[in-house]
Amino acid sequence: QVQLVQSGSEVKEPGASVKVSCKASGYTFSGYYLHWLRQAPGQSPEWMGWINPNSGATMYGRNFQGRVSLTRDASTTTAYLDLSRLAFDDTGVYYCARDLRTSHASLDGIFDNWGQGTLVTVSS
Amino acid sequence: EIVMTQSPATLSLSPGERGTLSCRASQSVFSKLAWYQQKPGQAPRLLIYNASTRATGVPARFSGGGSGAEFTLTISSLQSEDFALYYCQQYNKWPPFTFGQGTKLEIK
Repeated sequence: QVQLVQSGSEVKEPGASVKVSCKASGYTFSGYYLHWLRQAPGQSPEWMGWINPNSGATMYGRNFQGRVSLTRDASTTTAYLDLSRLAFDDTGVYYCARDLRTSHASLDGIFDNWGQGTLVTVSS
Repeated sequence: EIVMTQSPATLSLSPGERGTLSCRASQSVFSKLAWYQQKPGQAPRLLIYNASTRATGVPARFSGGGSGAEFTLTISSLQSEDFALYYCQQYNKWPPFTFGQGTKLEIK
């Protein structure tokens, strides 16, 4: 079955960077886009960006451009989120989610399988 | 950016009742609308996409309707496990993909 398993919770100081991993299994890694979303406490999810695991192409949300980097390692079927210059309002649960569409070159924007989430706390 | 607005913020119903949740987009998203269910401490779960198509494994008591800018999620007979948070999300015009602020379905 499809599984997305994320790395554990992180506590970071303001100005630091965080790297979150998402290990995919149960499907062809290169065949589906992966998205990253953030959910701040008591808020709805916010889309951060996507990566094409086949080509490595990425697209980022405007709120995160310049601070976020999405990468992948096809040999380990793992995707990564790097977020720099952390601020207090970056605190939240970060999710990876697979796109519904099976394609090397296009996506739907429908999030059909989600990781369990990674809590990132920014605190001094 | 397309703004999604859900109503009501909280819906209080009893098991066995019918529940209807609403979602409005700031402009037409055609039928490119999804619904998610989220329980405390869990990731969101895809319920409906393309406004009315149930995702794999979703019970038939969940149905989606609407098109353009007005959508509904209906739960025909509420079960105890259905009391949760529900989000709508548009994927017609992006970036970004955008979510509503959520409707909390609680037991009356």
